[in-house]
Order: sequence, then structure tokens, then C-alpha cells
Amino acid sequence: AQTVTQSQPEMSVQEAETVTLSCTYDTSESDYYLFWYKQPPSRQMILVIRQEAYKQQNATENRFSVNFQKAAKSFSLKISDSQLGDAAMYFCARSPGGGAQKLVFGQGTRLTINP
Amino acid sequence: SQTIHQWPATLVQPVGSPLSLECTVEGTSNPNLYWYRQAAGRGLQLLFYSVGIGQISSEVPQNLSASRPQDRQFILSSKKLLLSDSGFYLCAWAGGSTEAFFGQGTRLTVV
Repeated sequence: AQTVTQSQPEMSVQEAETVTLSCTYDTSESDYYLFWYKQPPSRQMILVIRQEAYKQQNATENRFSVNFQKAAKSFSLKISDSQLGDAAMYFCARSPGGGAQKLVFGQGTRLTINP
Repeated sequence: SQTIHQWPATLVQPVGSPLSLECTVEGTSNPNLYWYRQAAGRGLQLLFYSVGIGQISSEVPQNLSASRPQDRQFILSSKKLLLSDSGFYLCAWAGGSTEAFFGQGTRLTVV
């Protein structure tokens, strides 16, 4: 089975500091997409950032950036200048490059922000 | 703009009763549609996905079924609920872009 693994069930960080969430995945495809989703207490799934596997440049969205290591099949999320509103469950996900976008999710990392 | 509606938001059902959760998408055509289940404190498990009317793929054998009677309507059903069917159910759609967009979810408690 092609899986997504998040090895950190919980993480915490001081407000205004930087935190990195880890994700590894398994795939036999050369073309695919990777995502980080945020799930706050409301449980609404919110897309944080996405990365196309064919792009070598790491994606960045304001305070959120990724470190994409294709050969190592690693896709970590870095949150800079952490804010209290960043507290949530974070899920890493992968989908194939074509056809139905069948997202496969990791188990999630619960991020706590300490004031 | 595209929107996705999922209802009800919460549901408490007795064991053995039927289930019907509905999801509709507006503002797009021929979307890929998905049903996910999330157990407490866990990740999302893909249950069903559909690439078109009447086309359903099941990812996990279970007590549930899905149907897509219209292009933008996706229904999750069960004839007889089990205690193990309790969880948080999320509908999602994906279209021309690659990411999926999620509904608000349904918290199902089987008692």
C-alpha cells in the first residue's frame, strides 16, 4: 500500500518560534502532488500548502514553507513565527499526478502553541 | 465560486438503523467526489470516491455504501448501522486543480 507517515503525534512550540512537522511517504509514481492540511478544532479541513513533485523548488505560502526531498520521499512543513491560531491538527497528504485525485493522508500531528 | 455542502452536521442513530448523509457541490461540473471517515484523534480514511455519475470506487470493505445519482451529489448510506460506524465523516471534491476541498463534516454517533 502506498502510505503517508507522520512520525510526530504531537508537537509544541513557543509563540513566535519556528517548528517543523515531518512527513514521509511511499509511492512508485514519478508524478504526484503533496499537501499539508490544517484541521482546527472546528474540524474544517483547510489547505495550507501544496507541492508538485516535478518542481524542485520548495513551495512557500507566507509563514509556511516545505522542505521537499524527492529522493528521500520526505515532505516536511516549517511554520515560522508561530501564532496561537496555528494550533491545530496538521495532516500530510499525497495524491497521484493524474486521473482521480485520490488523497491519502497521514495520521496527523497535533500542534500546540505555547504563549 | 465553488462551494460544498454537507449535512447533517451531527447525527445520533441507534444500532441497526439506516443512514443517509448527503453532500452537494455548487459552482463546478464533473467533480471528483470523496467520502472520508476520521476516527477520534486519527487521520482520514478514504471510504469511497467517484469520478462520475453512477461510478463508485470503494476503498475499504465495510458496512457502508455510496451513490452518485447526480453530477454534483454524493450520498453515503448504510442499511443497518453498527457501533463501529461512529466517527466524523467528511465529503470532499476535486476538480481542475489538484487539491481537494472539504465540507464541514458530519459527526455520527451510533448508540
